[in-house]
Amino acid sequence: DAKTTQPTSMDCAEGRAANLPCNHSTISGNEYVYWYRQIHSQGPQYIIHGLKNNETNEMASLIITEDRKSSTLILPHATLRDTAVYYCIVRVANNAGNMLTFGGGTRLMVKP
Amino acid sequence: DTEVTQTPKHLVMGMTNKKSLKCEQHMGHRAMYWYKQKAKKPPELMFVYSYEKLSINESVPSRFSPECPNSSLLNLHLHALQPEDSALYLCASSQVGGYLLGANVLTFGAGSRLTVL
Repeated sequence: DAKTTQPTSMDCAEGRAANLPCNHSTISGNEYVYWYRQIHSQGPQYIIHGLKNNETNEMASLIITEDRKSSTLILPHATLRDTAVYYCIVRVANNAGNMLTFGGGTRLMVKP
Repeated sequence: DTEVTQTPKHLVMGMTNKKSLKCEQHMGHRAMYWYKQKAKKPPELMFVYSYEKLSINESVPSRFSPECPNSSLLNLHLHALQPEDSALYLCASSQVGGYLLGANVLTFGAGSRLTVL
């Protein structure tokens, strides 16, 4: 699996957009980018994933650069409840046991 | 039902005890996982079951023994644990079968917090 690099921590003002970057310069053509988050004392929660096109769902948007070497998760209007550790994971999708390997993640603090 | 249920939420055990953690899902997922998470660290994969068969064991010590009795249940049997095994144990489930069927979209439970004295 391609290695990912994320900033250790970020702050965001409540109501503003939170833009969380992820570098994955060794990504292969068949690897997807997945984002999960973990709110304190809870299990990780799936947010969004994509291959090369930008994706949007009710939680967030995922912007993947044209060369696919980096991506940005966007929370359009961050709330205090978005304070969490955000994990960017790159992984192939196949039939075998799907193992997701979590890196260090970015600790996002949303402030009033 | 879109949840993964883990019991117990908290468990305290001595090093000579035998205990089990339980995980249940009714989403029809055929892949189930155990992760271990130490404080302020990311989750680490322990085991993966695919169609009720153990497909991945990440070199986990034998004092941890997983069991998947049916497609909805996953157990983790604990015996002769060490204090350093104290952690949050997370169960997850997902579809099997590639991107279009949601592979790698894991649904996690809230975890079982284990303390070994």
